Amino acid sequence: DAGVTQSPTHLIKTRGQQVTLRCSPKSGHDTVSWYQQALGQGPQFIFQYYEEEERQRGNFPDRFSGHQFPNYSSELNVNALLLGDSALYLCASSLFAGLNEQFFGPGTRLTVL
Amino acid sequence: GDSVTQMEGPVTLSEEAFLTINCTYTATGYPSLFWYVQYPGEGLQLLLKATKADDKGSNKGFEATYRKETTSFHLEKGSVQVSDSAVYFCALSVYGGSQGNLIFGKGTKLSVKP
Repeated sequence: DAGVTQSPTHLIKTRGQQVTLRCSPKSGHDTVSWYQQALGQGPQFIFQYYEEEERQRGNFPDRFSGHQFPNYSSELNVNALLLGDSALYLCASSLFAGLNEQFFGPGTRLTVL
Repeated sequence: GDSVTQMEGPVTLSEEAFLTINCTYTATGYPSLFWYVQYPGEGLQLLLKATKADDKGSNKGFEATYRKETTSFHLEKGSVQVSDSAVYFCALSVYGGSQGNLIFGKGTKLSVKP
């Protein structure tokens, strides 16, 4: 049983560019949440997708957007990248809009130069 | 708003020493409390959880008790091993507020020396 998978593992972008990160949830899960973990900090909630809709959003600007597909996989898009967007981006999957345990993927390390 | 405060690290211990990592929380609803562990280069793994007051979560020798009166969820282990070296995060989830999404503390890095 595959756990949560994320791609790519690492990527490097320059300021102003756009990036798309991908997440496949654990088998049987229908909810995907995204978190940003800056170096030396705890993860911060970006948003959650359930039934292909954004259900909850943290304190992140509109440059951060997402999508959930019918197979429950999800994408995180960040536009107009800033240096401060450099972080580890974690995807977590769960059942029923996050009311149950969240399982985390290994993350995507984004570096913005 | 909802928040988690945990003790600053790093914490360095010798093998077989006793571990305590303090965690306190502020929540507007009825939180569930969690400890996650992050090994170098990896994502987060759930270590233990407690969903109501006075519950004790335990796993792999780690324990934490949900204390509503002191709004605390301190992590303890009686005898740490080198393999316990990692970053530990305390987190909460408030049904009806955060809808189950997690609010994390800043993490405490633990290094265990042989």
